[in-house]
Amino acid sequence: SAVISQKPSRDICQRGTSLTIQCQVDSQVTMMFWYRQQPGQSLTLIATANQGSEATYESGFVIDKFPISRPNLTFSTLTVSNMSPEDSSIYLCSVVKGLNTEAFFGQGTRLTVV
Amino acid sequence: GENVEQHPSTLSVQEGDSAVIKCTYSDSASNYFPWYKQELGKRPQLIIDIRSNVGEKKDQRIAVTLNKTAKHFSLHITETQPEDSAVYFCAAPHMEYGNKLVFGAGTILRVKS
Repeated sequence: SAVISQKPSRDICQRGTSLTIQCQVDSQVTMMFWYRQQPGQSLTLIATANQGSEATYESGFVIDKFPISRPNLTFSTLTVSNMSPEDSSIYLCSVVKGLNTEAFFGQGTRLTVV
Repeated sequence: GENVEQHPSTLSVQEGDSAVIKCTYSDSASNYFPWYKQELGKRPQLIIDIRSNVGEKKDQRIAVTLNKTAKHFSLHITETQPEDSAVYFCAAPHMEYGNKLVFGAGTILRVKS
């Protein structure tokens, strides 16, 4: 299993500012993922955070808007930059410990941009 | 990439009845199919998964069936209880990167007591 600590759990931010979300895992994992979940919606993958290389972004998401750091095998950050109200959502980090195995999720960050 | 469709979007059942949620996927090479439950305000958690070498898997009141020919899999919950009320997501692995999951749209299950 994996225990993920994600923070902050929620925040209210002014438009135009940036917020950095942190995820700490209790064990080393190769791949970490960042998802966005808009209210009442499914989980949409933003990017894969790779240790030692740049993150891999999904279609519709760009590094300038969602820069990701992965300094080691237990930690990652996602920054939501130059925020607008459309960025209001829940952001979740996730890890898997092997191919075709259970994905574990952080508790999520509920972001409101005003 | 992989495309996962999930139905129904909402499902209301009487306590004690069964609930069935269905998902279809597009990539015939996919071989791992998990189901996640997300209670309000909480993180998604795995409740059951199935790999392509079996057609059915059970865990107490929960079962998952897989039809690889038709490329669909289903979640079955029997003897539903109020605590089963949640959003359920199916998922399938991304074609190119098996560790990435593509999620279905979700099903809101309401169990009425």
